[in-house]
Amino acid sequence: EPEVTQTPSHQVTQMGQEVILRCVPISNHLYFYWYRQILGQKVEFLVSFYNNEISEKSEIFDDQFSVERPDGSNFTLKIRSTKLEDSAMYFCASSPPWTSGSYEQYFGPGTRLTVT
Amino acid sequence: QKEVEQDPGPLSVPEGAIVSLNCTYSNSAFQYFMWYRQYSRKGPELLMYTYSSGNKEDGRFTAQVDKSSKYISLFIRDSQPSDSATYLCAIMDTGNQFYFGTGTSLTVIP
Repeated sequence: EPEVTQTPSHQVTQMGQEVILRCVPISNHLYFYWYRQILGQKVEFLVSFYNNEISEKSEIFDDQFSVERPDGSNFTLKIRSTKLEDSAMYFCASSPPWTSGSYEQYFGPGTRLTVT
Repeated sequence: QKEVEQDPGPLSVPEGAIVSLNCTYSNSAFQYFMWYRQYSRKGPELLMYTYSSGNKEDGRFTAQVDKSSKYISLFIRDSQPSDSATYLCAIMDTGNQFYFGTGTSLTVIP
């Protein structure tokens, strides 16, 4: 069964460093998302991406964040200058074309980001 | 006011019990409703989704939506220890943005 994959599973970085989190969505999906979950807290929407551009973003997704789909398979989240409060689990998700009648998202296993 | 509210629990039930999990939401524009299950340190796993008021059944799981009350529920029949997890409700608005509840932690005791 197809699944969303994410790498690395755990990333440790120093405050102020740039990190890139990588995701490979399910191959026929067209909508891509990033979420974060701070330990013990709710899953928070960061950004959605469709047709090579951001379609929605939350207040969390400030200028420190960017997303990119550099090729036909990868979807990345970059944090330019990490802060301690960026420590969280970051989930990538993808959705099939909405013309299929479904909007459900399929989540990857997550990347645990630890900023020291 | 939070977009989606969910009782975090924890909820502990004996094996075989019927479990009821609930969320309320504030925005009447919300149109698509999902339930996810999340095991510790794993990504959310989609259980069920629906976009209309009423019930939707899938095996031991039933999702219920009451748009007039802005209330959604997930019922688990004949609960099993393997159902022990955190259950998240999620709702999509008309702008393709998803809002998650805080999750309800469920433990099914053998």
